[in-house]
Amino acid sequence: SQTIHQWPATLVQPVGSPLSLECTVEGTSNPNLYWYRQAAGRGLQLLFYSVGIGQISSEVPQNLSASRPQDRQFILSSKKLLLSDSGFYLCAWSLETGVPGANVLTFGAGSRLTVL
Amino acid sequence: QKEVEQDPGPLSVPEGAIVSLNCTYSNSAFQYFMWYRQYSRKGPELLMYTYSSGNKEDGRFTAQVDKSSKYISLFIRDSQPSDSATYLCAMKGFTGGGNKLTFGTGTQLKVEL
Repeated sequence: SQTIHQWPATLVQPVGSPLSLECTVEGTSNPNLYWYRQAAGRGLQLLFYSVGIGQISSEVPQNLSASRPQDRQFILSSKKLLLSDSGFYLCAWSLETGVPGANVLTFGAGSRLTVL
Repeated sequence: QKEVEQDPGPLSVPEGAIVSLNCTYSNSAFQYFMWYRQYSRKGPELLMYTYSSGNKEDGRFTAQVDKSSKYISLFIRDSQPSDSATYLCAMKGFTGGGNKLTFGTGTQLKVEL
């Protein structure tokens, strides 16, 4: 079965410090990978998605970047955190199969980032 | 106007009640509709997935889609305290484009004893 791991679960960082959140998927090959941010009252905002190694699409201009160094690894980074980067970050994966019902998103447990 | 509108609640009901959660959308290209349940400080988990207009039932949960009205609902029968969570609707167009979903803001539900 497929599993998704995301870490760290909780992070408190000062403004201006760097960030690295990691996500790995097990039990599948060539998944689509996603980073979402969830803020109170604003729902889930798609930040980045990737359909393959080295292929990153950015949905929202911001202080963050993403990388996919391996097929099942997705990393969210920042060189200098802002207060507004605080939030709940969720990694997710799906498969592109063309079959309805087979390509839904499965989420990780999330990483809660507080920037002080 | 947001593509997907969802009443944020909070919605508080007694145990055993029937709960109705709703979303409206404006993009007629949306063809796949999902409901996710999210417990506090956890990632969302898929509850229901529907494609066609009409009803789909899974245990105590029924998902309803009305594409002509651009309206979807999730019904929970015999609600339990364990159903207390935030419920997110999500939708997308046809496959391709990385399977990007558009989410509602979520409805917070509390089922009380």
